[in-house]
Amino acid sequence: DTAVSQTPKYLVTQMGNDKSIKCEQNLGHDTMYWYKQDSKKFLKIMFSYNNKELIINETVPNRFSPKSPDKAHLNLHINSLELGDSAVYFCASSRRQATSYEQYFGPGTRLTVT
Amino acid sequence: TQLLEQSPQFLSIQEGENLTVYCNSSSVFSSLQWYRQEPGEGPVLLVTVVTGGEVKKLKRLTFQFGDARKDSSLHITAAQTGDTGLYLCAGNPGSARQLTFGSGTQLTVLP
Repeated sequence: DTAVSQTPKYLVTQMGNDKSIKCEQNLGHDTMYWYKQDSKKFLKIMFSYNNKELIINETVPNRFSPKSPDKAHLNLHINSLELGDSAVYFCASSRRQATSYEQYFGPGTRLTVT
Repeated sequence: TQLLEQSPQFLSIQEGENLTVYCNSSSVFSSLQWYRQEPGEGPVLLVTVVTGGEVKKLKRLTFQFGDARKDSSLHITAAQTGDTGLYLCAGNPGSARQLTFGSGTQLTVLP
């Protein structure tokens, strides 16, 4: 069974379009995240949800809107896509341990904006 | 400036060689984690170190957390081609509720 799954794996679209990426985890974790990995492989957190409540919202354009229908799902909707949005987007989940937030990542969605 | 600096950024070695990757910061971390990411996949957690000075071993991989909990190292003995990948350290500084990832070390082990 896949622990954290994302769809689609690849997404190619034109500037100005709106697109969504879906994420689901079957680990029973209570916290989910969206990360962006740029061309230099730097991984940066975008959002974090805990039990469907937004708890972290880094400096991300408001064209990006996360939605968590339940604690097993966290979707990412992007409006008016720009060239600079091209990256790999990872969903992750965790269960808060005593002092760490060990992450379980999905396989990633490679977004290409042309 | 990255909160967690990794070195080297790139490392290419022959199978059978030993190597060490470093993760350094000026901040104190309650824990540090190491992940390995292979092409086309998400990072996979290798280990979490929690106590200053802690050493953990995972087969040929040895992880150490600095005494002051500001740095960590990953040592691989007798590297194999299957060790090839992007190694990322990550931690939550202070009481932060999120992880900060290091800049990454791209390791290539040649046959």
